[in-house]
Amino acid sequence: AQKVTQAQTEISVVEKEDVTLDCVYETRDTTYYLFWYKQPPSGELVFLIRRNSFDEQNEISGRYSWNFQKSTSSFNFTITASQVVDSAVYFCALPGTTDKLIFGTGTRLQVFP
Amino acid sequence: DAGVTQSPTHLIKTRGQHVTLRCSPISGHKSVSWYQQVLGQGPQFIFQYYEKEERGRGNFPDRFSARQFPNYSSELNVNALLLGDSALYLCASSLDGRDYNEQFFGPGTRLTVL
Repeated sequence: AQKVTQAQTEISVVEKEDVTLDCVYETRDTTYYLFWYKQPPSGELVFLIRRNSFDEQNEISGRYSWNFQKSTSSFNFTITASQVVDSAVYFCALPGTTDKLIFGTGTRLQVFP
Repeated sequence: DAGVTQSPTHLIKTRGQHVTLRCSPISGHKSVSWYQQVLGQGPQFIFQYYEKEERGRGNFPDRFSARQFPNYSSELNVNALLLGDSALYLCASSLDGRDYNEQFFGPGTRLTVL
């Protein structure tokens, strides 16, 4: 069965530090998609990225970057030069067999000024 | 364009009561999914609807039901409320519900059962 593990429950950093959020997944599918979502204190989940299992190239979007490694079933998310506005809960997700999306338990990131 | 909207924002009910939550998807999106997010956990999938048909159901009891209307809006109904039903209920819309399409989430309805 599909499963997403985010072992880091909470991370605290000081502004301008780099931080990496880990995501490990399990799936029997040969083709699959992986997602990252951000949930700020307001509660609304904000889509960050979608990655196809065929594409293992790292992706960079501004201060955000993602490292997808099929060999280790990991899809890690790095924020460079973190800012206070990055404080939120971040979820990694994977489409399931019966579940539309299976989410990890999330990593709460706190960025202090 | 308006994003996904949900109503009400907050709701307080007592055990045994019934509740109806509403969701309007992004214009042009035909698929709506419902998730339950208990405090401190990731969202759990409840239902997916596409073109008014149920396309998927998560591991939730029959007290939970939903439907989608011709305008693609959706309702989630929960009967015989339990304390454990207290959660943030999120609605997500996507173009056609396929796995590779990102889902856009609404702000959620926070349900408190006393």
